[in-house]
Amino acid sequence: KAGVTQTPRYLIKTRGQQVTLSCSPISGHRSVSWYQQTPGQGLQFLFEYFSETQRNKGNFPGRFSGRQFSNSRSEMNVSTLELGDSALYLCASSFPGQAGNTGELFFGEGSRLTVL
Amino acid sequence: AQSVTQLGSHVSVSEGALVLLRCNYSSSVPPYLFWYVQYPNQGLQLLLKYTSAATLVKGINGFEAEFKKSETSFHLTKPSAHMSDAAEYFCAVIENTNAGKSTFGDGTTLTVKP
Repeated sequence: KAGVTQTPRYLIKTRGQQVTLSCSPISGHRSVSWYQQTPGQGLQFLFEYFSETQRNKGNFPGRFSGRQFSNSRSEMNVSTLELGDSALYLCASSFPGQAGNTGELFFGEGSRLTVL
Repeated sequence: AQSVTQLGSHVSVSEGALVLLRCNYSSSVPPYLFWYVQYPNQGLQLLLKYTSAATLVKGINGFEAEFKKSETSFHLTKPSAHMSDAAEYFCAVIENTNAGKSTFGDGTTLTVKP
């Protein structure tokens, strides 16, 4: 079974630009969550999508948004990039409410964003 | 609200020595607890999980953790450290398996000295 796939793995943007990151979950997983990881703030929850609906949201400004498609693939978008948005963005999938679920998350390798 | 505290952001041990990484949690309901490991430039992968079946949980790579309700702890141990164990370790908690959000600790970086 293929794992969680995130693209692109690395990208460099300049302040004020916007960026879109993509995440393909494990086949059959209907929940996709996003986390921002920085050396200073650790792992911070951005949002979670389940069956195309945002179910949970972290404490991030409105510049951070996401969506989920009918095939469970998800994208997150950051508009008007700031230097502080430089981070590793991690996507994780899971299968809440389905047989065998024990709540664990399956992570992709992340998209490392550098804002100059 | 649930929370996780990992004591010690950096732990250094010698190869062959005991590894002990500490995690304390706060939860209003019986929690589900997890340890994840992250190697450089990679995502997180599950080491082990506590889901109320047994208080002593064995995971991959020789790691284990014991759930102690009275101490609200879920410390991670390994009897003998290996160089390949050098990584960052995260403790996480959820309050039900259908929750779409895990709460993570700040992480502990494990260094293994030869």
